[in-house]
Formats: sequence, C-alpha cells, structure tokens
Amino acid sequence: LAKTTQPISMDSYEGQEVNITCSHNNIATNDYITWYQQFPSQGPRFIIQGYKTKVTNEVASLFIPADRKSSTLSLPRVSLSDTAVYYCLVGDRLGNTPLVFGKGTRLSVIA
Amino acid sequence: DAGVIQSPRHEVTEMGQEVTLRCKPISGHDYLFWYRQTMMRGLELLIYFNNNVPIDDSGMPEDRFSAKMPNASFSTLKIQPSEPRDSAVYFCASSEWQSQNTGELFFGEGSRLTVL
Repeated sequence: LAKTTQPISMDSYEGQEVNITCSHNNIATNDYITWYQQFPSQGPRFIIQGYKTKVTNEVASLFIPADRKSSTLSLPRVSLSDTAVYYCLVGDRLGNTPLVFGKGTRLSVIA
Repeated sequence: DAGVIQSPRHEVTEMGQEVTLRCKPISGHDYLFWYRQTMMRGLELLIYFNNNVPIDDSGMPEDRFSAKMPNASFSTLKIQPSEPRDSAVYFCASSEWQSQNTGELFFGEGSRLTVL
C-alpha cells in the first residue's frame, strides 16, 4: 500500500487560503488520491479525488504534480467551520486496495 | 437514503461483557467496512466485506473481535469479552466501488464504546 505523509497540524486565520500537502512517494500507476474531512464526533466525509493535474469542486481544489509523488489540498478562504481533521488517502478505486487512513492533519481555524 | 446507520451511538459496559455493534449500509452498496478510531492509533481498518463475504480481516486486533454480515443490509461487530483498551469510536462505512465512480466511502456517525 502506498504510504502517505502529511503534517500533524496546521493553524490558519479565517479568510485565508489553506494548503495541506501530502507525500506519497510510492504511489502506484492505478492509484487515485482522495481527501476526506472529519469533524469532531462525526465520521469522515469525502471531499475530493484526483489522479493527476488539478481537480476543483465546490469545496476544494486538489493539485497533483506530474510525478504524482505528492498532492496539495487547497481550501479557499477558510472559515471557523472548516476546523477539522483532513486525511489524504491513496488507493486503487477499483476495489483492489482498501483505503487506509493515516493520522491526518488537524486544521484549526482561528477568528 | 438515510445514509449508513449505526447503533448504538453510545455504549458503556464493564470489562468482560459482550458488546455488539450494528450497522446498516446504504442500500445497493456492495462493500462494507468496520473502522476503529482512537486518539493514539487514529482510524484503523478492522475488516471489510464485499457482497457479504469477509475479504480482509487482518486488522481485527484479536480473537475477541468478530464481524458478520448475514445479508446485504446488516452487519455486526462483536467483542467478547470486552476490555478497557477496546474503548474507542467504531465506524461503519459502505461503498459502491465501480470503475466509473470515486469509490467514495460513506461513514456512519459511529458508536462510541467505553469499557470500564
């Protein structure tokens, strides 16, 4: 399984853009990169998924360089409600590799 | 759809007692996962099923833990006997994995277990 490494915690002020980088040096050809968000007392929730280049949805953007050995989750203009733990996962979405969660990055947004 | 439904939401029990956690996956999903979350170890995959068949139970910590999926709409995670170190939040998740979609995991709200 491709191992991921991401910062344990980050702090940000409201209104700022937050970028969380994840390293996955041994990502396989068939692997996709998926990010989840977890609020206290809730289960994780899917945010975004990508394979290469850039993916954007209503919540976030995901930047993946050509070598795919890392990825960056970008949250535009964060608010207090974005305070959560963010997990980067790498896996084959065809079902051959179950998704393994690491410790995640605890983002604290400050007013 | 109501999403993944877990019960009970909270359980407090004494060491040595049997604990049964229940999960109803989203209808039509063919994968079901059981995770355990603690501060020390984070979110750990315990076991997962495909079409009601256990595929990988290598994450189950010991023989005290067992999981079943008798049909497509119900799964149980049982701990017998329970120990204080089993205290954690147990999450159930389901997914419909096809090449056309993201393989997104849908999580329940979790069952918080406290073993005294």
